[in-house]
Amino acid sequence: DTEVTQTPKHLVMGMTNKKSLKCEQHMGHRAMYWYKQKAKKPPELMFVYSYEKLSINESVPSRFSPECPNSSLLNLHLHALQPEDSALYLCASSPPGAGADTQYFGPGTRLTVL
Amino acid sequence: SQQGEEDPQALSIQEGENATMNCSYKTSINNLQWYRQNSGRGLVHLILIRSNEREKHSGRLRVTLDTSKKSSSLLITASRAADTASYFCATVDVSGYSTLTFGKGTMLLVSP
Repeated sequence: DTEVTQTPKHLVMGMTNKKSLKCEQHMGHRAMYWYKQKAKKPPELMFVYSYEKLSINESVPSRFSPECPNSSLLNLHLHALQPEDSALYLCASSPPGAGADTQYFGPGTRLTVL
Repeated sequence: SQQGEEDPQALSIQEGENATMNCSYKTSINNLQWYRQNSGRGLVHLILIRSNEREKHSGRLRVTLDTSKKSSSLLITASRAADTASYFCATVDVSGYSTLTFGKGTMLLVSP
């Protein structure tokens, strides 16, 4: 299995809803990432998990809550989002070891906040 | 935070022509990578060049790196309509964290 999967593909939610995005990989990668990408912009790093521990939080608002239950799974819990949070949310993973800098991206979840 | 600037922002060519995209960055890097993104989809890793390398090839792709000018270029030869996508350079700096900092991207349109 050489891919990163993300569910759902599309999500529409109201500002009072609670929802979760899911990301899964079975490549044995030990680093996993969440990115946010607005239209016609590059991806912006949100969170990095290394060996299931949160290692980087790029000052993301607390309405985004990441979780890494095990080495294959990464969740992003969403609560009380704003319309400006509408974006493509990308998950990525990378292999363990020094110099393993290539990241493998999932297809993304297109989020619309009404 | 974004570090790279890609140039041009958009490029339109005919099938069979070559496409060249440039990327500049600001800090000392460990490596520089190029990714492709089809509209609204995930990114696909194309090629990685390390700071001690000057040129790398992969199929129809040729990447150069000039660390003195803090710049890189991606050349796609004999382009195809299927090459239509956005192309991003991304750097990994020497801080020790293997996080990617993306440039703004070049949107390439290859017409049949």
